[in-house]
Amino acid sequence: EVQLVESGGGLVQPGGSLRLSCAASGFTFSSYSMNWVRQAPGKGLEWVSYISSSSSTIYYADSVKGRFTISRDNAKNSLYLQMNSLRAEDTAVYYCARDGYCSGGSCLDVWGKGTTVTVSS
Amino acid sequence: SYVLTQPPSVSVAPGQTARITCGGNNIGSKSVHWYQQKPGQAPVLVVYDDSDRPSGIPERFSGSNSGNTATLTISRVEAGDEADYYCQVWDSSSDHPDVVFGGGTKLTVL
Repeated sequence: EVQLVESGGGLVQPGGSLRLSCAASGFTFSSYSMNWVRQAPGKGLEWVSYISSSSSTIYYADSVKGRFTISRDNAKNSLYLQMNSLRAEDTAVYYCARDGYCSGGSCLDVWGKGTTVTVSS
Repeated sequence: SYVLTQPPSVSVAPGQTARITCGGNNIGSKSVHWYQQKPGQAPVLVVYDDSDRPSGIPERFSGSNSGNTATLTISRVEAGDEADYYCQVWDSSSDHPDVVFGGGTKLTVL
């Protein structure tokens, strides 16, 4: 079964750091680009970051650029998101999602259940 | 950056057809993907590349895209279709490519 499982969420103070992980199984992780997407409470989906299969290409949303770092370890079938200088507005459920290589660019065909990050003092 | 506009809500009676729109500048030149999200659950891809369905998605779900509007059509709506629906495109028009989501549409089955 194709599966993504996020972990690492929790409560952190403003200005603090957190590292999210996403464990992949059931598919050849090293062949797929991956994304992080977040959803603030009661709000819509917001794309956060993209990393290609070999880590050669990385993109960030403007809202997190310079504060968040995406990375992956293909040997461990794992995706990561290092989040620094956290703000209240980063409070959200964070999903990792597989890039389905749709013909028109990124489509997200497999999603994890998400991990919750709360930034509050 | 590229903006996708969806109506906040759409209501439909069971058995009828729901149409959810997604507006964007010349969106017909892009590939549009649609996600369904039920409360407390992760999103699920229901239509990709404007009109294709992933395996396991009922034929009742279909999509179209032309001009400045893409549309997700759900035929013979069931109570279980009640959810939030998001459109999405890949915007590579600048040196800063983005995955762009619409604001979401809440589908209510009356």
